[in-house]
Amino acid sequence: DTAVSQTPKYLVTQMGNDKSIKCEQNLGHDTMYWYKQDSKKFLKIMFSYNNKELIINETVPNRFSPKSPDKAHLNLHINSLELGDSAVYFCASSQERAGGYTFGSGTRLTVV
Amino acid sequence: AQSVAQPEDQVNVAEGNPLTVKCTYSVSGNPYLFWYVQYPNRGLQFLLKYITGDNLVKGSYGFEAEFNKSQTSFHLKKPSALVSDSALYFCAVMFSGGYNKLIFGAGTRLAVHP
Repeated sequence: DTAVSQTPKYLVTQMGNDKSIKCEQNLGHDTMYWYKQDSKKFLKIMFSYNNKELIINETVPNRFSPKSPDKAHLNLHINSLELGDSAVYFCASSQERAGGYTFGSGTRLTVV
Repeated sequence: AQSVAQPEDQVNVAEGNPLTVKCTYSVSGNPYLFWYVQYPNRGLQFLLKYITGDNLVKGSYGFEAEFNKSQTSFHLKKPSALVSDSALYFCAVMFSGGYNKLIFGAGTRLAVHP
């Protein structure tokens, strides 16, 4: 059973389009995250939700909007996609500070 | 500001030799420290962590890391490298008051040559 699953794995879309990435975890964790990995492999947090409540909102364009319908799901919607949004987006979850994160396998977004 | 530094973009080592991947951090309070590994086109996999206690922690695949508070370092080590250890390694820190946010270093690519 996959602990943190993301869909789709690959996403190729044109500039200006709106797209969503979905994430689900079956670990019973309370907190979920979105990270962006750029072309240089640098990882930066975007958002974090704890029990459906937004607790971390880093400096991210407001074209990015997370949604958490329940604590097992955290989706990422991106409006008006730009070339610079091309990256790998990772979802993760955690239960407590000492436990660290469990990551999904990533969604490679390519904007053309 | 909280930060993590991995001073080496790439580490090259011959199979069978010991390896070290360096990590230093700058955070307030007592940090939680982690190492993750990323294989090509894959997600990040947890290797090991330091929370408290013994400064030498052991993790998956024969890796270990030593926490050094005075040098604010958490270097990853393995006594004998395998070609299959070749991957991208990330050090990360979580600090108190940070809402469980993991701050990652820039990553170090480990290349183990036969």
